[in-house]
Amino acid sequence: GAVVSQHPSRVICKSGTSVKIECRSLDFQATTMFWYRQFPKKSLMLMATSNEGSKATYEQGVEKDKFLINHASLTLSTLTVTSAHPEDSSFYICSARTLAGESTDTQYFGPGTRLTVL
Amino acid sequence: LAKTTQPISMDSYEGQEVNITCSHNNIATNDYITWYQQFPSQGPRFIIQGYKTKVTNEVASLFIPADRKSSTLSLPRVSLSDTAVYYCLVGDLRGSGYSTLTFGKGTMLLVSP
Repeated sequence: GAVVSQHPSRVICKSGTSVKIECRSLDFQATTMFWYRQFPKKSLMLMATSNEGSKATYEQGVEKDKFLINHASLTLSTLTVTSAHPEDSSFYICSARTLAGESTDTQYFGPGTRLTVL
Repeated sequence: LAKTTQPISMDSYEGQEVNITCSHNNIATNDYITWYQQFPSQGPRFIIQGYKTKVTNEVASLFIPADRKSSTLSLPRVSLSDTAVYYCLVGDLRGSGYSTLTFGKGTMLLVSP
């Protein structure tokens, strides 16, 4: 259980184009999903928190107009990198928070999406 | 958010038990401790989570002393496939108090034949 998928796994695009990445919780509903970015040999950096049916909360320094997040259902969140540039090339990872009720919630991560902007 | 400190790297051999210790001196009362494993170009994989004393599952054990200022992830009889980066994270994981996870640098475990 607790499987999170991402699509696509890898994308190469030209500078100036927009790229959409999907994150799905396959066997559970997730009111909250998270988007991270990871540069080579670095740790994961939280970009934004995505709540179903409401606006995303962005971390300091992350441009909300550049990284558009939509969480339209309990199992799907999308990240759109608008007008991508080479410096946006990175590994983008989403996670979904389970709802355990009285117990603890846990974040499960997707496999990641490698974005390369030429 | 409680900050964590882990060794940057550790080396081990196949079949040995590996213990990775994480310091979290300013852990809060409602904070839980979670460990993740990450292979190159993959998302982190949940290993184990706990609040106090000892937690054990099919892949690892987590030891948390009474003061909860540190925790130790124990991997029994490691294999080459356990070579990965291991992250220790601390945060409130319950209900409305849920806190976002902040990843530190992690511990790069290298298992050799």
